[in-house]
Amino acid sequence: GEDVEQSLFLSVREGDSSVINCTYTDSSSTYLYWYKQEPGAGLQLLTYIFSNMDMKQDQRLTVLLNKKDKHLSLRIADTQTGDSAIYFCAESSGNTDKLIFGTGTRLQVFP
Amino acid sequence: ETGVTQSPTHLIKTRGQQVTLRCSSQSGHNTVSWYQQALGQGPQFIFQYYREEENGRGNFPPRFSGLQFPNYSSELNVNALELDDSALYLCASSLVGTANTEAFFGQGTRLTVV
Repeated sequence: GEDVEQSLFLSVREGDSSVINCTYTDSSSTYLYWYKQEPGAGLQLLTYIFSNMDMKQDQRLTVLLNKKDKHLSLRIADTQTGDSAIYFCAESSGNTDKLIFGTGTRLQVFP
Repeated sequence: ETGVTQSPTHLIKTRGQQVTLRCSSQSGHNTVSWYQQALGQGPQFIFQYYREEENGRGNFPPRFSGLQFPNYSSELNVNALELDDSALYLCASSLVGTANTEAFFGQGTRLTVV
């Protein structure tokens, strides 16, 4: 079945880079996404990558996809305190575009 | 600001009651998906509506039902509420059928069942 896994917690110092990792099982995944959720809020789409790409860069965000290992990562450069949130990896496939989410990684940025 | 609005923002219901949650999709979008996010978990897909028809359903019992209206807004109905239904309910709108794959989420409705 479809499954997406993430580590639960990451703590980094302000100004350092953060790397959040995700593994998934569905080899037919078409798109892979990163969402950010701040306390008490909905989900904010940060970026996404098509499954035939290896890398996508968007300002401070870099997404790396290893399709062979079904591994996705999100790198945040120059991490700021405002980046503290829960980050969800999600994948979609098929014509419903339903999203399968991981359990989320809580990123804590300290001064 | 995604343009997806949900109401109400918070709701408290008693076990056994029924609840209706509402979602207005982003202008131009034709599809609404509903997700349940229990505390400390990732969102779980409930179902999706496309052109007023259910277009895919997750592992949720029939007491979870929905509607989509001609203006693409949507309702999620839950009958016979159980304590485990307490969660954040998120709706997402998207434009299925094009190369645009982005789903935009509302702020959610936090349902507490007591």
